[in-house]
Amino acid sequence: IAGITQAPTSQILAAGRRMTLRCTQDMRHNAMYWYRQDLGLGLRLIHYSNTAGTTGKGEVPDGYSVSRANTDDFPLTLASAVPSQTSVYFCASSGGLADYNEQFFGPGTRLTVL
Amino acid sequence: GQNIDQPTEMTATEGAIVQINCTYQTSGFNGLFWYQQHAGEAPTFLSYNVLDGLEEKGRFSSFLSRSKGYSYLLLKELQMKDSASYLCAGMDSNYQLIWGAGTKLIIKP
Repeated sequence: IAGITQAPTSQILAAGRRMTLRCTQDMRHNAMYWYRQDLGLGLRLIHYSNTAGTTGKGEVPDGYSVSRANTDDFPLTLASAVPSQTSVYFCASSGGLADYNEQFFGPGTRLTVL
Repeated sequence: GQNIDQPTEMTATEGAIVQINCTYQTSGFNGLFWYQQHAGEAPTFLSYNVLDGLEEKGRFSSFLSRSKGYSYLLLKELQMKDSASYLCAGMDSNYQLIWGAGTKLIIKP
């Protein structure tokens, strides 16, 4: 692995189903993030984790949950998917809480909820 | 509230220079980032400014004025591969990025 990987690449999901988007990084970054990107809107933060074992809510957390059991993995779960969760989801990581730390992004997961 | 404003779309000619402006309002300020995003791909880091002034990196330069809450990205000697969206993001006091909607740059031959 080099950088950040996400799985699946794309998914079509029936409303009401549970879905987990996977994210793994091999850069030993402390901080990880989940964003959604919708046409005409900026990236919106869903949840974040500043270090393994801790998580926090972002701008749009409702309907999503995360866990951070170790440094490398940061899965995002939709407990009961709704059509408004149709979006492109990006996972990102950074070295930690410092102003100069750029975020590195995974390739994204395109999710369609019908 | 926190807000990032940038133009939705700009058009420029191959070989020319283009300036993409961004105004920001964040709760606290820990720097201003620019990212490039090609269609269907992930954003990639271009530049970071935390002090006033111009940072030059090859064909790309980024400027910051903290007193005006203003930044711009300057792209010189435009190439067709520069066609992409350019995302402006301000880092707030919690080290979270507040993102603009992006400026789609169209390069014409």
